[in-house]
Amino acid sequence: AQSVTQPDARVTVSEGASLQLRCKYSYSATPYLFWYVQYPRQGLQLLLKYYSGDPVVQGVNSFEAEFSKSNSSFHLQKASVHWSDSAVYFCALSWVNYNQGKLIFGQGTKLSIKP
Amino acid sequence: NSKVIQTPRYLVKGQGQKAKMRCIPEKGHPVVFWYQQNKNNEFKFLINFQNQEVLQQIDMTEKRFSAECPSNSPCSLEIQSSEAGDSALYLCASSLGVNTGQLYFGEGSKLTVL
Repeated sequence: AQSVTQPDARVTVSEGASLQLRCKYSYSATPYLFWYVQYPRQGLQLLLKYYSGDPVVQGVNSFEAEFSKSNSSFHLQKASVHWSDSAVYFCALSWVNYNQGKLIFGQGTKLSIKP
Repeated sequence: NSKVIQTPRYLVKGQGQKAKMRCIPEKGHPVVFWYQQNKNNEFKFLINFQNQEVLQQIDMTEKRFSAECPSNSPCSLEIQSSEAGDSALYLCASSLGVNTGQLYFGEGSKLTVL
């Protein structure tokens, strides 16, 4: 069955430090992959998406992610975090045909930024 | 900022009461989804529509929930008889199509069942 795993429930980094949030997926073919962010008391906002092509995708607010088929991973990265990046980050999976556009979400990673 | 508009932002109901939430999808998006996000950040797909037609729904939605997306009116999700386990954030999302993959989410309606 298709699934998404975010192994780190919580991550704390210092402001200005680099960041990597991990995401592993399980799907037999090449999926559509997404990172969403959820700020307190808000809905989900799309950071970036991968459909095909260049495995490194750029997103909003200087986030980027790298798709690895061999590792079944889609890790999110940022070179220098800001206090406003504090939020919960969700990795999500979809695929063409038969799933009617539904997303499979990971469990989320809560990011805290130390001043 | 979300262009998917959900109302109300918060609602509090007693067990057995009806709970109704509304969603206006992003303009031009024919596909609408409802998800339930619980306090453990687990997402459950409830139902999706393309225009006014149901594409897919889970058993729970079929039995205790009713949902519709009438033309020229907001979409709605109603729980017929609320249970404590229904306390969650209900997220509406819209999309240009079922194979685009990208969903645009509203801010959600947070339901508390006392």
